Amino acid sequence: NAGVMQNPRHLVRRRGQEARLRCSPVKGHSHVYWYRQLPEEGLKFMVYLQKENIIDESGMPKERFSAEFPKEGPSILRIQQVVRGDSAAYFCASSPLEVGGLFGYTFGSGTRLTVV
Amino acid sequence: TQLLEQSPQFLSIQEGENLTVYCNSSSVFSSLQWYRQEPGEGPVLLVTVVTGGEVKKLKRLTFQFGDARKDSSLHITAAQTGDTGLYLCALRLNSGGSNYKLTFGKGTLLTVNP
Repeated sequence: NAGVMQNPRHLVRRRGQEARLRCSPVKGHSHVYWYRQLPEEGLKFMVYLQKENIIDESGMPKERFSAEFPKEGPSILRIQQVVRGDSAAYFCASSPLEVGGLFGYTFGSGTRLTVV
Repeated sequence: TQLLEQSPQFLSIQEGENLTVYCNSSSVFSSLQWYRQEPGEGPVLLVTVVTGGEVKKLKRLTFQFGDARKDSSLHITAAQTGDTGLYLCALRLNSGGSNYKLTFGKGTLLTVNP
């Protein structure tokens, strides 16, 4: 399967724990985007990364959330000290270059985070 | 204020019927994409439209982009149960700098009953 791989598919955390969401982009894609989908809301942009660089994190909460895309390995979205409001589906998407015009994203199947 | 409005929010029809869903924006956008999302999965790109007045067909799906580049519609002919899903439109604003950032509508949840 050459698609975007996200794991885990489902993640349950207690309040105050850390959540780590992993995303392996399509082979050859060097641009990764994270989106969050809350119940009753649309997909919201969180962060855009290239290898070893955060390009735009304007959609990511300033506290408790961080993202990285190291030279080797998957992109990681990390949520520290999770709260119930963090419960959502988190989607990763990748593209072969900066998306514009005709190019669209390839999305993964998402990680569904439940905070109890 | 929601930048993108999709209507209807929910739609339940019988197999074989035709339907149209809409996507409207208060801003002009450079391109618009339609995605379908099935339960438990990520969105899958259906089409990208970039030219005002553009019409694209994908089998039984017809996508139209308004002349003023502020609205779009998706028409499905003879719906099948496999068309069930959440249909999302997403746009890039007509401004430079961050055109990688997609703004999504809340979607139309379509259920096609056998």
